[in-house]
Amino acid sequence: GQNIDQPTEMTATEGAIVQINCTYQTSGFNGLFWYQQHAGEAPTFLSYNVLDGLEEKGRFSSFLSRSKGYSYLLLKELQMKDSASYLCAVIYSNYQLIWGAGTKLIIKP
Amino acid sequence: ETGVTQTPRHLVMGMTNKKSLKCEQHLGHNAMYWYKQSAKKPLELMFVYSLEERVENNSVPSRFSPECPNSSHLFLHLHTLQPEDSALYLCASSQDRGAGANVLTFGAGSRLTVL
Repeated sequence: GQNIDQPTEMTATEGAIVQINCTYQTSGFNGLFWYQQHAGEAPTFLSYNVLDGLEEKGRFSSFLSRSKGYSYLLLKELQMKDSASYLCAVIYSNYQLIWGAGTKLIIKP
Repeated sequence: ETGVTQTPRHLVMGMTNKKSLKCEQHLGHNAMYWYKQSAKKPLELMFVYSLEERVENNSVPSRFSPECPNSSHLFLHLHTLQPEDSALYLCASSQDRGAGANVLTFGAGSRLTVL
């Protein structure tokens, strides 16, 4: 099957940096998404990677290695409002969008 | 209004009730989706509509019945549900249903509890 693996929960300190990893099966890969979901709210789009390398958007960056089936979301200068779940999802060439179970990020002061 | 709006936000129903969830998008998107979100599990795709035609039905029990009367509205009709159907039901839309950078815009969800 096409499983997406990401850690269930991570804890980090305000002002620090955290990296959330995501691994996936490479056959038929067509792109990878990261979404943020605050408790009780809608998931919102953060980033899309289809080529290898790092894409930076302000405090958030997303990295992709297609050959390794690996991505990470890097959050810098953490703020309390970054406490949320981060969802990794991969779109495959058969139009299937497969989701990870999400990583709950807890930020402590 | 903008974005994707879902009503009701919370719903409690008995196993013999019939209720409906409503989703509305004001983005001019052509594809709409129903997802089920349970704690600590990946999002489960239930149905996909593209240009008002159902294009995907992921082996969802018949007690869930979708309806897409036009490209802006999507309903999920519920009847004789089971307690294990309790979950957050998310509606989403996208410009088209494709295999590339097909960004989904989600509603805030309808939290369903089946007693």
